[in-house]
Amino acid sequence: NAGVTQTPKFQVLKTGQSMTLQCAQDMNHNSMYWYRQDPGMGLRLIYYSASEGTTDKGEVPNGYNVSRLNKREFSLRLESAAPSQTSVYFCASSEFRSSTDTQYFGPGTRLTVL
Amino acid sequence: AQSVSQHNHHVILSEAASLELGCNYSYGGTVNLFWYVQYPGQHLQLLLKYFSGDPLVKGIKGFEAEFIKSKFSFNLRKPSVQWSDTAEYFCAVSLFGNEKLTFGTGTRLTIIP
Repeated sequence: NAGVTQTPKFQVLKTGQSMTLQCAQDMNHNSMYWYRQDPGMGLRLIYYSASEGTTDKGEVPNGYNVSRLNKREFSLRLESAAPSQTSVYFCASSEFRSSTDTQYFGPGTRLTVL
Repeated sequence: AQSVSQHNHHVILSEAASLELGCNYSYGGTVNLFWYVQYPGQHLQLLLKYFSGDPLVKGIKGFEAEFIKSKFSFNLRKPSVQWSDTAEYFCAVSLFGNEKLTFGTGTRLTIIP
């Protein structure tokens, strides 16, 4: 039982390049989330998916798109990377039977945009 | 929109000292409260959570937190810290019925052996 997995672990992009961050969970969770973590700012929600086939914007969605490919997988795409998107990206999932459910986090992707 | 404040950005303690990390939130409705921990090089994991009942919540590794509704606070405590508690600690809030979490900016805790 791997929990939440993310690929890649590290990535360096040039401004304007595109890439997709992959996330998968094997806990049969309904809800999945993408966060970014920046120094002094904590974690901020980019997008989330309450269930397969649905996605919604979080606090900082600009410059990102997401796809909930199936119940297990939730990808985050940067169409044209900018230096302001340099960050550590975390994927999380929860069962979401109620708002008290724990979110389980992946190991993170450290992205640098030059 | 709700917000979460963690006023201690970096706390340095010696082993066996007592710990209290502050967390305040701004929302008048029913909330769920969480403390997550991120050990160096690891992903976030849940320490404890509160959603109803006894306002004193016990979590893993000897941590506890007290929900004080009148003060909009959910402070994290541990009576005697260990070197292995060195980590970053995040307080988070969700609104009742809403799965989205709002995180505080985090407190970096350094324990000196």
